[in-house]
Amino acid sequence: QVQLQESGPGLVKPSETLSLICTVSGYSISSGYYWGWIRQPPGKGLEWIGNIYHSGITYYNASLKSRVTISVDTSKNQFSLKLSSVTAADTAVYYCARRGSSWTEYYFDSWGQGTLVTVSS
Amino acid sequence: QSALTQPRSVSGSPGQSVTISCTGTSSDVGGYNYVSWYQQHPGKAPKLMIYDVSKRPSGVPDRFSGSKSGNTASLTISGLQAEDEADYYCCSYAGSYMVFGGGAKLTVL
Repeated sequence: QVQLQESGPGLVKPSETLSLICTVSGYSISSGYYWGWIRQPPGKGLEWIGNIYHSGITYYNASLKSRVTISVDTSKNQFSLKLSSVTAADTAVYYCARRGSSWTEYYFDSWGQGTLVTVSS
Repeated sequence: QSALTQPRSVSGSPGQSVTISCTGTSSDVGGYNYVSWYQQHPGKAPKLMIYDVSKRPSGVPDRFSGSKSGNTASLTISGLQAEDEADYYCCSYAGSYMVFGGGAKLTVL
């Protein structure tokens, strides 16, 4: 049973970079699957941030693309999210999740518990 | 990349059926059979309920079903139970990216 766990600072100052790590257990990232980040502002809906394949190929939400970097570290079985130049609008619960194993599987079947990141000075 | 359109709220009594719609465009919902649905209880992570428009993951009750017509996908929950009260989100592939709906709050009366 795959498990995902987000970690990182819960408070980030405006204009700085938000950095989160997702640690995967129960499955080796290097074996395949796509992995993703999704966020949810307080009281609002889900927003897809981006996906990464185990090889490092990435896909980003166009509205965030200029500020987002998703990377993978197969040696640590982790993937990470960096979001630069944050504002209060980036305050949200950030989820990491596993997408399907192939390019025809566009759904998230396993999710982390989520971590709240607040942008405030 | 506009969010898919869902009703903000739906409701039904125990034992009844409810349908939640998810409207997109020919570039997302209408263009691909890659619509998924997620259930989210307060303070919890979303849970996959339907994928590829109408397929159910193992463990999801067959009371949950999905369909699609044109640019609109639908999630139907039959035999409503109190535990079904939650937020429901649709999600679609849209050609190299993915887009979620705004979410619908299901109230079991």
